[in-house]
Amino acid sequence: DAKTTQPPSMDCAEGRAANLPCNHSTISGNEYVYWYRQIHSQGPQYIIHGLKNNETNEMASLIITEDRKSSTLILPHATLRDTAVYYCIVRARIQGAQKLVFGQGTRLTINP
Amino acid sequence: DTAVSQTPKYLVTQMGNDKSIKCEQNLGHDTMYWYKQDSKKFLKIMFSYNNKELIINETVPNRFSPKSPDKAHLNLHINSLELGDSAVYFCASSQGLLTYSTNTGELFFGEGSRLTVL
Repeated sequence: DAKTTQPPSMDCAEGRAANLPCNHSTISGNEYVYWYRQIHSQGPQYIIHGLKNNETNEMASLIITEDRKSSTLILPHATLRDTAVYYCIVRARIQGAQKLVFGQGTRLTINP
Repeated sequence: DTAVSQTPKYLVTQMGNDKSIKCEQNLGHDTMYWYKQDSKKFLKIMFSYNNKELIINETVPNRFSPKSPDKAHLNLHINSLELGDSAVYFCASSQGLLTYSTNTGELFFGEGSRLTVL
């Protein structure tokens, strides 16, 4: 699985859009970009995933560059409850178990 | 109605003891996992079972033995506990078959079981 690089920490003001970058320059053609987050010692929570098109759901938007070497997770109107560690993971979608490899992630702090 | 539930949530025990952590999922998934999160907050996969069959077994001491009595349960038994086993253990589940486009392949995690070995 391709490695990802994320900034260790970021801050964002409440109500603003939080943009979390992720580099995955060695991503291969069949690998998806997944985002999870972990809110203070809770279990990680799935946010969104994509292959090459931009994706949006009720939680966030995912923007993937045309060369797929990087992506940005966007939380459009960040709230205090969005304070968490955000993990960017690249993974081929295969049958059977999903062996997600979590890196250090980005610790996002939403400030009032 | 908790999707992935683990018991106990907290466990404090002495070195050398044997302990078990139980996990149950009510999502109808066919794949379950155990992850370990150490004091440095790294999340690492330990095991995965698909339809009660072990399919992922990372480099984990054989003191750790997972057991899956059925698709909805995956228990973790740890023998001869050591100080370094202190961590938060997360159970997770997913739908292994990706036939349907609505299946994102996402993992659903439990709330974790914090194990402290004294």
